[in-house]
Amino acid sequence: AQSVAQPEDQVNVAEGNPLTVKCTYSVSGNPYLFWYVQYPNRGLQFLLKYITGDNLVKGSYGFEAEFNKSQTSFHLKKPSALVSDSALYFCAVRGAQAGTALIFGKGTTLSVSS
Amino acid sequence: DAGVIQSPRHEVTEMGQEVTLRCKPISGHNSLFWYRQTMMRGLELLIYFNNNVPIDDSGMPEDRFSAKMPNASFSTLKIQPSEPRDSAVYFCAWRTNSGNTIYFGEGSWLTVV
Repeated sequence: AQSVAQPEDQVNVAEGNPLTVKCTYSVSGNPYLFWYVQYPNRGLQFLLKYITGDNLVKGSYGFEAEFNKSQTSFHLKKPSALVSDSALYFCAVRGAQAGTALIFGKGTTLSVSS
Repeated sequence: DAGVIQSPRHEVTEMGQEVTLRCKPISGHNSLFWYRQTMMRGLELLIYFNNNVPIDDSGMPEDRFSAKMPNASFSTLKIQPSEPRDSAVYFCAWRTNSGNTIYFGEGSWLTVV
């Protein structure tokens, strides 16, 4: 069975500092990995994904994530946080088999202070 | 905005009433998903369809929940009878025929009192 763990319920960072939101996964075969962001009272918005290729994936709003197969991790990063990045972030995984669904982590609340 | 319509956006209903949530995804998708979000349980996959056929409904919590996809452009999630513990945000999501990314609607915010 596939699963996702986001070990931190909340991450606090000062504006301008780098941020990292952690994610580890478990899936059979090659993983398809995703990050989504959710702002208050809104749906989830797609940020970036890793399917294959370069382990460092760049996405929307200056975010990037690094796929580490040996550590089964897919941490979300940004070099310089903005107050507007404050939101709920979800990591998700699915197997490479066609037609499978995304399984989401519990989410990590990112709070960026000015 | 990835072009899906979920309705109603907000619903408050009394316990025991029937609730029907609707989703109209963009054209060109082949997979549709219903997720539920609560504070306690996070995002849970309820059911998903491929080419309008239900593939996995193991996430549907009870027989009170049912979902249909009569055609490629419309799906419903029904709760009958509703209970206060069904209060949550229900998201419809879809994956396009040509991609791997799943896109979410804005959700239906259900409160059962």
